[in-house]
Amino acid sequence: QLVESGGDVVQPGGSLRLSCAASGFTVSSNYMNWVRQAPGKGLEWVAHIYAGGSTYYADSVKGRFIISRDDSKNTLYLQMSSLRVDDTAIYYCARDEQLWLAPYYFYHMDVWGKGTTVTVS
Amino acid sequence: DIQMTQSPSSLSASVGDRVTITCRASQTINRYLNWYQHKSGKAPKLLIYAASSLQSGVPSRFSGSGSGTDFTLAITNLQPEDFATYYCQHSYTPPRTFGPGTKVEIK
Repeated sequence: QLVESGGDVVQPGGSLRLSCAASGFTVSSNYMNWVRQAPGKGLEWVAHIYAGGSTYYADSVKGRFIISRDDSKNTLYLQMSSLRVDDTAIYYCARDEQLWLAPYYFYHMDVWGKGTTVTVS
Repeated sequence: DIQMTQSPSSLSASVGDRVTITCRASQTINRYLNWYQHKSGKAPKLLIYAASSLQSGVPSRFSGSGSGTDFTLAITNLQPEDFATYYCQHSYTPPRTFGPGTKVEIK
């Protein structure tokens, strides 16, 4: 299970940290993602952290958002800074399942939280 | 970056119908293609992974096919609970882009 928190109303240029608490599995052993949906828009992949710690970001948030995790708390984070109006969205965290289907590993988001709402206004 | 397109953007169908949604990648992605169902106010739900593998617990009326750049999601015997928005997403390499979505509405 994944439970997001930290969503709020924030002014443009402000900062916010989202949290995603996991239960039933270990965040540090899994690839984890943040995905968002702006009002009236589709799903947008935001950021990804590998089990080894490598991170990747969508161009729209690169340099402004940081994905991280606290292994002792089994929690994923998204530190957001220099927030813009177009960052307004529901933010979901999701676990990547890694599955071996010979001859490749495949990845897909199999566990999702219910989301937390960020409003930049 | 790999771009994903979907067609149609929306469709109207009746309970019991068969519907198909197409997804195309801007470059070959092997079978690194997943399908998700999303209902407003709820968490997205994984339906199909690796282009054609049915996620555990998902009804068998959902099926996926394709490889390379062209993929299809088919829903047979459409049920009331299937009215939702469907997204494809590639997992070939970051950024793992979603398609723009296909909204399936009740006729």
